[in-house]
Amino acid sequence: QKEVEQNSGPLSVPEGAIASLNCTYSDRVSQSFFWYRQYSGKSPELIMSIYSNGDKEDGRFTAQLNKASQYVSLLIRDSQPSDSATYLCAVMVGYQKVTFGTGTKLQVIP
Amino acid sequence: DTGVSQDPRHKITKRGQNVTFRCDPISEHNRLYWYRQTLGQGPEFLTYFQNEAQLEKSRLLSDRFSAERPKGSFSTLEIQRTEQGDSAMYLCASSPLREATGSSPLHFGNGTRLTVT
Repeated sequence: QKEVEQNSGPLSVPEGAIASLNCTYSDRVSQSFFWYRQYSGKSPELIMSIYSNGDKEDGRFTAQLNKASQYVSLLIRDSQPSDSATYLCAVMVGYQKVTFGTGTKLQVIP
Repeated sequence: DTGVSQDPRHKITKRGQNVTFRCDPISEHNRLYWYRQTLGQGPEFLTYFQNEAQLEKSRLLSDRFSAERPKGSFSTLEIQRTEQGDSAMYLCASSPLREATGSSPLHFGNGTRLTVT
């Protein structure tokens, strides 16, 4: 079982819709969770971090964490073509290394 | 905050040659990570340092790979006797470790793209 799993996509949504990206992780003692956005040919950039159960909102982005289900998600409201990118879920176990999923490619259709 | 700096941006080498990459982290960050990324995959963990101590190295990593962070500032990643399978983007990231809040986001450099011919 992979440590961090994501659907590779592509996930296609129309402009203005809500994009929902999902991630599951295997280690129950995982403590810190991150969402990164990566444009083609560029390095990952941090969008959101979340550390406790529930929702965390930042502008058009909402991260949701459910530790009991070992599940973290990212919602993007009012999706824009500029949101088209690969979204990487990352998990830190304890205060050790950070493990990334393979990423979900999002395509926002104008 | 000048960001994480990596050098070189691109490296083309012939199979069997040694290569060395450099990473300069954000100055106040005490953690430094190296990752490798190939097309269509997420970043693959290679190793990380806290200050000058190398705390973990991937078990999947060949002995041809070595990394150092001699004074707890910049780091180097060396690949000896390169193989075509080493062709990838090598990413460096740094983070401040704030154990009280658990806030340890990684900040990435622009990466070094290695091509082994």
